[in-house]
Amino acid sequence: GQNIDQPTEMTATEGAIVQINCTYQTSGFNGLFWYQQHAGEAPTFLSYNVLDGLEEKGRFSSFLSRSKGYSYLLLKELQMKDSASYLCAVRWENQGGKLIFGQGTELSVKP
Amino acid sequence: DADVTQTPRNRITKTGKRIMLECSQTKGHDRMYWYRQDPGLGLQLIYYSFDVKDINKGEISDGYSVSRQAQAKFSLSLESAIPNQTALYFCATSDYLSNQPQHFGDGTRLSIL
Repeated sequence: GQNIDQPTEMTATEGAIVQINCTYQTSGFNGLFWYQQHAGEAPTFLSYNVLDGLEEKGRFSSFLSRSKGYSYLLLKELQMKDSASYLCAVRWENQGGKLIFGQGTELSVKP
Repeated sequence: DADVTQTPRNRITKTGKRIMLECSQTKGHDRMYWYRQDPGLGLQLIYYSFDVKDINKGEISDGYSVSRQAQAKFSLSLESAIPNQTALYFCATSDYLSNQPQHFGDGTRLSIL
């Protein structure tokens, strides 16, 4: 099957930088999305990567290496409001266009 | 107004009852999805539809059915609810282009006693 692996939880300090990793099966890969989800709320879209490299959006950046089946989400200048779950989701060509979500990484930002 | 609207937002019901969760969207997207989320877990796909005449099973379709009444409406039914279907349910929509993200409704919190 198409497995997606993310750390279950991470802790970081306000103002710091944190990197959340995601690994996935490379065969048939066709795009990777990162979402943010606060407790009890809907996931919201952060970034999309399909080609190798870094995509930057303000304090958030996402990196992809297709050959390694690896992505990370980088959060800079952490704020308390960044405490949330971060979901990695992958689309594979043989999955009919749907997304498969990882279990998410629960990030706690402490003062 | 929200682009993706789910009703009800909260529901408590009893084992064996039939329940319908509704989703409507104003984004004009062809593709619609139903997910469930259990505490501490990611999103599991129940059913998805790429247009009005298309219905596909997801990872965990057993015990659920769906109806795509129109481009803008996609409803999820639990034929005979059981306690382990207690979860947070999300509807999502997306454009047909593969680089476009899914947009989620605010969720329905369902408790089955």
